[in-house]
Amino acid sequence: DIQMTQSPSSLSASVGDTVTITCRASQSISSYFNWFQQKPGKAPKLLIYAASSLQSGVPSRFSGSGSGTDFTLTIRSLQPEDFATYYCQQTYKTPYVFGQGTKLEIK
Amino acid sequence: EVQLVESGGGLVQPGGSLRLSCAASGFIVSTNNMIWVRQAPGQGLEWVSLTYSGGDTEYADSVKGRFTVSRLNSENTLFLQMSSLRPEDTAFYYCAAEPPEDVWGTYRTWGQGTLVLVSS
Repeated sequence: DIQMTQSPSSLSASVGDTVTITCRASQSISSYFNWFQQKPGKAPKLLIYAASSLQSGVPSRFSGSGSGTDFTLTIRSLQPEDFATYYCQQTYKTPYVFGQGTKLEIK
Repeated sequence: EVQLVESGGGLVQPGGSLRLSCAASGFIVSTNNMIWVRQAPGQGLEWVSLTYSGGDTEYADSVKGRFTVSRLNSENTLFLQMSSLRPEDTAFYYCAAEPPEDVWGTYRTWGQGTLVLVSS
C-alpha cells in the first residue's frame, strides 16, 4: 500500500499569516492527489484536486503544488474560517490512503 | 443541485449487520465512481471502498469479506451492507462521487455522513 505522511500534525497561526502543509507519498503517485478541509461535525470539503487544481468556489488564497511524491498546500492571508483540519489523499492506487491530518488552530 | 444523502446508521451489537444508503440527486450514481470513507470519532479519515462506474468494487483490507457495496440504479442509490460488525467499525460513514468527466480521482461531492455505533 502507498503510505501518506502529512506534516505537521498541528499548527498554530494568526489571521493574515501564510501557512504551508506538506504531504509525502511512499512512492510516486503522479498528480493523483487531493487536499480536503474538514470542520467539526461536517463532511470533508475538496479544496485542491490533481495536486494543483483549485476546486470551483474555493478561495484563491488556497493553492497546491507538487507531483510524484512531494506535495504542498499553501494558505495565504489566513481568514478566521480557515481554521480547520486538513487532509491529503492519494487516488493513484487503492487503497486511497489519507494523510493523518493537520489541525490548524488560531494562535 | 448535486447532492448525496446518507442514511441507515444507528446502534448495532457486535456481530450484527447494518445497511447504509447513499441517495444521489442531480446526477446519476451509475455513471460516477463512488467511494465510502469512514471516520472514527475524533480520528482521521479512512477509505473503505471504491465502486467503479462499471460496477466493480474494491475494499479496504479492514472490511474485505464483511462489507459489500451494491447499487440500485432505479433508485439512484448506493448501498453499503455491513456484517460481522466490530466495535472498531464505529464511525461516521460518508459516501462521495467522482464525475465521469474527471480522471484524477476527484471526489467533489460528499454526503453529510451517518453514524454507526457498534456496542453491546
